[in-house]
Amino acid sequence: DSGVTQTPKHLITATGQRVTLRCSPRSGDLSVYWYQQSLDQGLQFLIQYYNGEERAKGNILERFSAQQFPDLHSELNLSSLELGDSALYFCASSVALRVSGNTIYFGEGSWLTVV
Amino acid sequence: SQQGEEDPQALSIQEGENATMNCSYKTSINNLQWYRQNSGRGLVHLILIRSNEREKHSGRLRVTLDTSKKSSSLLITASRAADTASYFCATDAREAGGADGLTFGKGTHLIIQP
Repeated sequence: DSGVTQTPKHLITATGQRVTLRCSPRSGDLSVYWYQQSLDQGLQFLIQYYNGEERAKGNILERFSAQQFPDLHSELNLSSLELGDSALYFCASSVALRVSGNTIYFGEGSWLTVV
Repeated sequence: SQQGEEDPQALSIQEGENATMNCSYKTSINNLQWYRQNSGRGLVHLILIRSNEREKHSGRLRVTLDTSKKSSSLLITASRAADTASYFCATDAREAGGADGLTFGKGTHLIIQP
């Protein structure tokens, strides 16, 4: 158990809908990262928050947004969903701002299926 | 785009044999890390090697890094059925100062035959 909690574990929704994925980082970790894993794209870094502020952006679509709350939990909002958004979405956390030299701990992921 | 590319894409060996996976990357890095993912589960950190290190050991794992060739290898010795998983290398680009999240390769799927 990494200590990173993600909910829901699975969800199925229709195209055009909006979903919210939730992540609680490990106790004491200030950085939260969101990754998308799909068969064709592999693991893609989406976005990083550190202590409530956005710190780095990767391949995140404009239809997607995220935030980190004062209690450090984070939410990833996916809107106007398309079939291609079906993927496993991971949240990860670490204590530091920078990944360099630091281990990041992954949650078990949220499986999203868009039908 | 992927920074790291693992090779082979898939590997099947007998229990007890050694497994070697390779990773190549494109840009200068600060560190390289290896992660394991069991089917449909989260990624688990295995080992980190810094750009000024050439080799590192952790239990049955041995990682090498050749920055001149921009490549790394992960060796698992005396493999066990429980080692069946996908293995990913991940890098943090030096230019980004480590602030842009880890970049993962597409992974090597390792199957250990009992």
